[in-house]
Amino acid sequence: QKEVEQNSGPLSVPEGAIASLNCTYSDRGSQSFFWYRQYSGKSPELIMFIYSNGDKEDGRFTAQLNKASQYVSLLIRDSQPSDSATYLCAVNMFERAKLTFGSGTQLTVLP
Amino acid sequence: EAGVAQSPRYKIIEKRQSVAFWCNPISGHATLYWYQQILGQGPKLLIQFQNNGVVDDSQLPKDRFSAERLKGVDSTLKIQPAKLEDSAVYLCASSPPTSPLHFGNGTRLTVT
Repeated sequence: QKEVEQNSGPLSVPEGAIASLNCTYSDRGSQSFFWYRQYSGKSPELIMFIYSNGDKEDGRFTAQLNKASQYVSLLIRDSQPSDSATYLCAVNMFERAKLTFGSGTQLTVLP
Repeated sequence: EAGVAQSPRYKIIEKRQSVAFWCNPISGHATLYWYQQILGQGPKLLIQFQNNGVVDDSQLPKDRFSAERLKGVDSTLKIQPAKLEDSAVYLCASSPPTSPLHFGNGTRLTVT
């Protein structure tokens, strides 16, 4: 079982729709959860992080964490073509400092 | 605030040759990471430094890869000898304590 799993996609949504990206993790003791966006040929850039169960909103982005289900998601409201990228979920494992990444979900927002 | 600096941006070498990458983290960031990202995959941690000490190098292929962070600032990652499967983007990142990490632009390595 992979430590961090994401649906590789590709996921396509029309402009203006809500894009929902999902991530599951294997270590129940994981403490910190991050979403990075990576445009083709570029390095990952941090979008959001979440530490506590529930929702965290930042502009058009909402991160959702459910530690009981070992599940974290990212919602993008009013999706724009500029949101087209690969979204990487990353988890900071309990008692281990390293950040472990999933393989990413490729999102395409269609004009 | 200046970002994480990496060089070179691109490198093409033949298998069995050696190569080195350089990283200068954001000023004041004690933690420095080297990640390897193969096309279509997420970044994989190779080595993590806290100041000039190694925190985690469990996924570093130590028979061919080496890394150092002298004086707790700049870092170099070396591959010797390179294999075809080392073709990837090598990402350096840094972070202050308990904060998310920030990536440099990466070095794209092609081994032919």
